[in-house]
Amino acid sequence: QSVLTQPPSASGTPGQRVTMSCSGSSSNIGSNYVYWYQQLPGTAPKLLIYKNNQRPSGVPDRFSGSKSGTSASLAISGLRSEDEADYYCSAWDDSLSGRVFGGGTRLTVL
Amino acid sequence: EVQLVESGGGLVQPGGSLRLSCAASGFTFSSHGMHWVRQAPGKGLEWVSYISDGGRKIYYADSLKGRFTISRDNAKNSLYLQMDSLRDGDTAVYYCARDRDSSGWLDYWGQGTLVTVSS
Repeated sequence: QSVLTQPPSASGTPGQRVTMSCSGSSSNIGSNYVYWYQQLPGTAPKLLIYKNNQRPSGVPDRFSGSKSGTSASLAISGLRSEDEADYYCSAWDDSLSGRVFGGGTRLTVL
Repeated sequence: EVQLVESGGGLVQPGGSLRLSCAASGFTFSSHGMHWVRQAPGKGLEWVSYISDGGRKIYYADSLKGRFTISRDNAKNSLYLQMDSLRDGDTAVYYCARDRDSSGWLDYWGQGTLVTVSS
């Protein structure tokens, strides 16, 4: 059972906008930055969003992150087939004195 | 170009030990904290440990404390993970990752090294 809760799956059609959630608590998301990672099949994770809503250079502006209270969301607009991947949220947890990941959301592009 | 290359994985029997290495290049290694993150087959990411740039701050996942030891050699641009008393549940791909500013911003990841614990 992950400390951060993500829906196991999400789906959308090309061009659509999809969102995926990450739910935590006051000791992690509620008081620390949230990060999002994309993992394409058979590859290492790649940073997608840092510090709640910042995009690293090279990440398309189709990807956006937000945070409110103890929850965070990742939105992907203009969905493309190459977005099919696993997406993980992460945050520092003050109670655990450690970093935690969500269980991941597998995105399917129909 | 930033590169992180893990090595040292392999097959080990339950109760055995293994030392993973992560060779860093393309950046000033001594200026960045580093993490180990693992992923069991078909499962999600699990954070393992963090060491600060100078090695003075170290954190571990609660479930691993006492069995795993993170360390670094800034003169050799290398990160290590000593894993003792290995269990079946430790079977995973182990990734090293650079922390951009010690906030948990894992901006570069290695390709991973597979550790299999089995008799």
